[in-house]
Amino acid sequence: DTGVSQDPRHKITKRGQNVTFRCDPISEHNRLYWYRQTLGQGPEFLTYFQNEAQLEKSRLLSDRFSAERPKGSFSTLEIQRTEQGDSAMYLCASSPMTGIGYEQYFGPGTRLTVT
Amino acid sequence: RKEVEQDPGPFNVPEGATVAFNCTYSNSASQSFFWYRQDCRKEPKLLMSVYSSGNEDGRFTAQLNRASQYISLLIRDSKLSDSATYLCVVSYSSASKIIFGSGTRLSIRP
Repeated sequence: DTGVSQDPRHKITKRGQNVTFRCDPISEHNRLYWYRQTLGQGPEFLTYFQNEAQLEKSRLLSDRFSAERPKGSFSTLEIQRTEQGDSAMYLCASSPMTGIGYEQYFGPGTRLTVT
Repeated sequence: RKEVEQDPGPFNVPEGATVAFNCTYSNSASQSFFWYRQDCRKEPKLLMSVYSSGNEDGRFTAQLNRASQYISLLIRDSKLSDSATYLCVVSYSSASKIIFGSGTRLSIRP
């Protein structure tokens, strides 16, 4: 399967714990995005990488969130000191440098539940 | 006012019917437009890009009206498998300005 993959698919954690998610984009895609989606809402932008550079970060993203893409391939999203409000689906997407606008391909997501 | 607005539905239509829904956007500088489909508890999947001249892909037709700032999606001869949430996406200037609507739920009944 050459699509976007994410790991883990589900994560249950206790409030205050740290969690880390991984995203492997489509191999030839330079752009990588992280989104958060809650029930009944569309995905909400968190951050964006072009190759290894983190070019944009949502101002809604607190300093408990950090993302990396060290070699311009896979990316990790870490949430420190999780809160119940962090419970959501975390989606990763990638897109090629060329192409129309920001045509994105999503991974299956990591569903986070904070208890 | 939200930057991208969609009627949440649900639209409940019989198989074989034609259904259409719109998405309005507030920023006139918007440059790229897309429709995504999202099945329950799955990731969004790109359905089609929306071009200024409008475009068609099989039973699906997308239109852009820049003057009135909306895009539309028309589904002809609807199938049971078309049941899903349809997300409108509008983008301008940068990756952080890729804005998803909240989606329109479509349910096709036999």
